[in-house]
Amino acid sequence: DAGVTQSPTHLIKTRGQQVTLRCSPKSGHDTVSWYQQALGQGPQFIFQYYEEEERQRGNFPDRFSGHQFPNYSSELNVNALLLGDSALYLCASLEGLAGYNEQFFGPGTRLTVL
Amino acid sequence: AQSVTQLDSQVPVFEEAPVELRCNYSSSVSVYLFWYVQYPNQGLQLLLKYLSGSTLVKGINGFEAEFNKSQTSFHLRKPSVHISDTAEYFCAVSDPFSGGYNKLIFGAGTRLAVHP
Repeated sequence: DAGVTQSPTHLIKTRGQQVTLRCSPKSGHDTVSWYQQALGQGPQFIFQYYEEEERQRGNFPDRFSGHQFPNYSSELNVNALLLGDSALYLCASLEGLAGYNEQFFGPGTRLTVL
Repeated sequence: AQSVTQLDSQVPVFEEAPVELRCNYSSSVSVYLFWYVQYPNQGLQLLLKYLSGSTLVKGINGFEAEFNKSQTSFHLRKPSVHISDTAEYFCAVSDPFSGGYNKLIFGAGTRLAVHP
């Protein structure tokens, strides 16, 4: 089992561009959450997908959008990039929506906006 | 809204010494509590979790945590640390009974530095 995988590992973009990050959940998991971790801070919840629908959303602007595919993999899209979007983006997967189920995190995608 | 406060941003400690990393959360309603570890250039790994029941929770790598409802705390402890425990530690809370399902709210992290 490969666990949660994310691509790419690193990404450099300039202000105003758009970016797409990808996540493949752990085998058997059908729920994917995305978190943003700025340097020196804890992860912040962006949104969560289950059954190809956004189920929960954190306090992030509409520039942040996502998608979940029938195979449960997910994408995070960020439009009109700002310098402040530079961060480590973490994907987590779990089975179902229950809060007691363990969430498994991927290694993250490091996004740098110049 | 829920919030998590990790009282120490950095904790230096010598190898084989005990350590406690402190965590307080904001709400007294029923919550789930978690400790995660993050090694350099890696994602988060679950150390332990409290859902209900016994207030003393044992996790991986010899870590344990005690849930204290009256003080809204969930401090992490290890009786004897190793160099390999050097990492960033995050306390997190979820509030599943208020529609939060499994949304995790994290503290800012505590950097544990174990010195020989």
